Amino acid sequence: QSALTQPRSVSGSPGQSVTISCTGTSSDVGGYNYVSWYQQHPYKAPKLMIYDVSKRPSGVPNRFSGSKSGNTASLTISGLQAEDEADYYCCSYAGDYTWVFGGGTKLTVL
Amino acid sequence: QLQLQESGPGLVKPSETLSLSCTVSGGSISSSNYYWGWIRQPPGKGLEWIGSIYYSGSTYYNPSLKSRVTISVDTSKNQFSLKLSSVTAADTAIYYCARHPSMTTVTLNYWGQGTLVTVSS
Repeated sequence: QSALTQPRSVSGSPGQSVTISCTGTSSDVGGYNYVSWYQQHPYKAPKLMIYDVSKRPSGVPNRFSGSKSGNTASLTISGLQAEDEADYYCCSYAGDYTWVFGGGTKLTVL
Repeated sequence: QLQLQESGPGLVKPSETLSLSCTVSGGSISSSNYYWGWIRQPPGKGLEWIGSIYYSGSTYYNPSLKSRVTISVDTSKNQFSLKLSSVTAADTAIYYCARHPSMTTVTLNYWGQGTLVTVSS
């Protein structure tokens, strides 16, 4: 069970859109529609932003959206705002009631 | 409002057992709708799922940690606990407890604030 692969960092200017990828295998991301995304600001606990690939919890802005194609899930943030600068982690169900996280992506708002 | 609070020693010696508790307030740990999990994050690194438990006592562990992990629940105290044996410096991390609705949809929707555990002699 290896960690999912995310880019170490991405960046964008305010108002732009950015996409963070999360690549796994057919045993995790590709095998189930159970991928979630978490936002983590420095010294804070992670916050759920997307679950079940593309569902948004109440209170999460609709600027955040999720999708999946094959073994790769993606988080897209549109209309980038300064407060979106944070670390983002994907997580996938990996079968046999186990989970695997991605290595995390640092989003910088220029 | 549901709240989770981790507690336990902040310093553990190598080869010893790390023990943490998570106290749940604002809701019952015995709710049939939820599972309770532990996640850790080494300083400056990513998140790692350690394991989860249902109020009935059913447990689910990360295969890479399974031989060293025990998660238990005490419904009378509205708490669940983590024990990690034979710790090394690699187990130094912020440990979070969290709630999720099932073992498949990886939806950690409530988190504790986290507690730093350092493994050092």
